Amino acid sequence: QKEVEQDPGPLSVPEGAIVSLNCTYSNSAFQYFMWYRQYSRKGPELLMYTYSSGNKEDGRFTAQVDKSSKYISLFIRDSQPSDSATYLCAMLRTSNTGKLIFGQGTTLQVKP
Amino acid sequence: GAGVSQSPSNKVTEKGKDVELRCDPISGHTALYWYRQSLGQGLEFLIYFQGNSAPDKSGLPSDRFSAERTGGSVSTLTIQRTQQEDSAVYLCASSRGLRTDTQYFGPGTRLTVL
Repeated sequence: QKEVEQDPGPLSVPEGAIVSLNCTYSNSAFQYFMWYRQYSRKGPELLMYTYSSGNKEDGRFTAQVDKSSKYISLFIRDSQPSDSATYLCAMLRTSNTGKLIFGQGTTLQVKP
Repeated sequence: GAGVSQSPSNKVTEKGKDVELRCDPISGHTALYWYRQSLGQGLEFLIYFQGNSAPDKSGLPSDRFSAERTGGSVSTLTIQRTQQEDSAVYLCASSRGLRTDTQYFGPGTRLTVL
């Protein structure tokens, strides 16, 4: 079983929809949680970075962490065709050297 | 400023050949990471450098894989005697130095082993 589980999709939504992307994890040592966005044939770029439980909002994006359930989410409001990409969750243990553990990535398509 | 750059962007090689992949981190970033992204395995950590030292090599899949970093800057990932299962996108990331600092990724090198 992978340490971080993420449904690969694909997920297809109409423009303007609210998108919910999720990851679950098994190791309670994960303390730092990230969401990266990756366009086709590009490197991942950081969208959101949160520490421990709670919510963080940045524009149309909200990241949510529930450590008690070992569950993290990324919500995208008013989705746009330009949001079409693969979304990767990533996690970092407190004892790690900076080694990120990634989910498989969810491919999102937003249709105009 | 300039981001992380990697070269070549694409590399096609024959099974059994050696390949070298290069990463130029963001200027001033002391931490450098290599990851591999393949269809079946997702994005996996390979090795971490702090300066020129590699305190974490735990992700290197076999002794055919090695990496070095010189001058606290450029890093080279070398794969000897390439196999078809080495086909993947090799991504480099750099950060300012603390393990919790944001990692900035390069565009990757797409390696195809025939």
